[in-house]
Parts: sequence; structure tokens; C-alpha cells
Amino acid sequence: EIVMTQSPGTLSVSPGERATLSCRASQSISSNLAWYQQKPGQAPRLLIYGASTRATGIPARFSGSGSGTDFTLTISSLQSEDFAIYYCQQYNSWLLTFGGGTKVEIK
Amino acid sequence: QIQLVQSGAEVKNPGASVKVSCKASGYSFTNHGISWVRQAPGQGLEWMGWISAFNGNTNRAQKFQDRVTMTTDTSTSTAYMELRKLTSDDTAVYYCARGHGYVWGDYRYVSDYWGPGTLVTVSA
Repeated sequence: EIVMTQSPGTLSVSPGERATLSCRASQSISSNLAWYQQKPGQAPRLLIYGASTRATGIPARFSGSGSGTDFTLTISSLQSEDFAIYYCQQYNSWLLTFGGGTKVEIK
Repeated sequence: QIQLVQSGAEVKNPGASVKVSCKASGYSFTNHGISWVRQAPGQGLEWMGWISAFNGNTNRAQKFQDRVTMTTDTSTSTAYMELRKLTSDDTAVYYCARGHGYVWGDYRYVSDYWGPGTLVTVSA
């Protein structure tokens, strides 16, 4: 099973600032990585797939990068609606796995 | 518009089984797969498995190999997930989610539309 490790666990950021979230895979997953956003009481929402392709309707302030084992989700200028938990998920193996999540909170 | 509508909350005794349904609309059901993901209270997301609505092929997380059955009914565009031998550790919200790409494509395991979730509570 591929283990996905996200860091930090919690990120405190002021509105308008940049947020950088990391996700590391225990083995190479090429670019087979997705990012999801989840707000309290809601289902997850797809943000990024293929490591860097924004899903339909996702604002340009969200960007993804990386390949192999190290990946980054960047939110260029945090808006109030961006405070949430973010999960990465690998789909390189048909045994999919999620990271533990990074909570982005208001500083 | 694409929608996934899930069945209502369930309360089950330990040792029982639960079957959650996920009715899809707004797209061609058999062109996509369905993933099942659960989330225990206050915890992260846990992938359970995926089923092709095209041919019924399934992938299941090793943790659930012996306890979970995923099926589809193409006549009603509905996916089902049955979990057996429930324990208190199975108390969670269970989500279904549509595969982003066609069932034979590179992004078939990426989940682009999600159901609202079904709360399953296991308690004596």
C-alpha cells in the first residue's frame, strides 16, 4: 500500500497570504495525484488532478505541482472560503490512498 | 446537472450489515466508476473501494476485502455498498463519488462529484 504523508497537520495563515501544503508518497506515483478540499459538514470537493490540472470551476489561485514522490498545493492568496481541510490522494495504484489531511486555519 | 443521492442515515447493532445506496443522475451511468469513501467522526478520508458501472469490476482496499460488497444496478443508475459484521469502528459517514474519467481512462479513480454522505452509526 502506498502511504501518503501530508504536512503540516495544521497551517495558520492570514487572509490574503500564500499557503503551501505538502504531500509525500512512500513510493513514486508519477503524476497520479489529486487534491480535495473539505469544509465542515460537507463532502469533499475535487480541486486538482494529474498533480497540476485544476478541476472544472476551481479558481486560478489554486495550483498543484510535483511528480514522483513530492507534491505541493499552493493557494496564492487565501480567501475566507478557503479555510478548510485539504487531502491528497494517490491513484497510481488501484489501491487508492489518502493523506491524513492539512487543516488551513485563520491566523 | 450531475447528482449523487444517497440513502438515509442508519443505526445498526454490532455484527449486523448495512447497505448504502447511491443514485446517480445527469450523466451516462455506465461510462463512469463509483468510489466509496468513509470518514469516521473527526477523522480523515478512507478509501474503501471502486466499482466500474460498465462491467461491475471492483477494487477494494485490503482492509475491507472480506466485509464489503459493491454492486450497481444499471437499470436504475444506482450503486450499492454493503458492509458486513459491523463494529463500533465502522461508525462513519459513507460517501459515494463518481469517477472523473471514463471507466477505461486515466482518471477513472479521481472523484469529481460526491454524494452528501450517509451516516452509519453502530451501537448496541
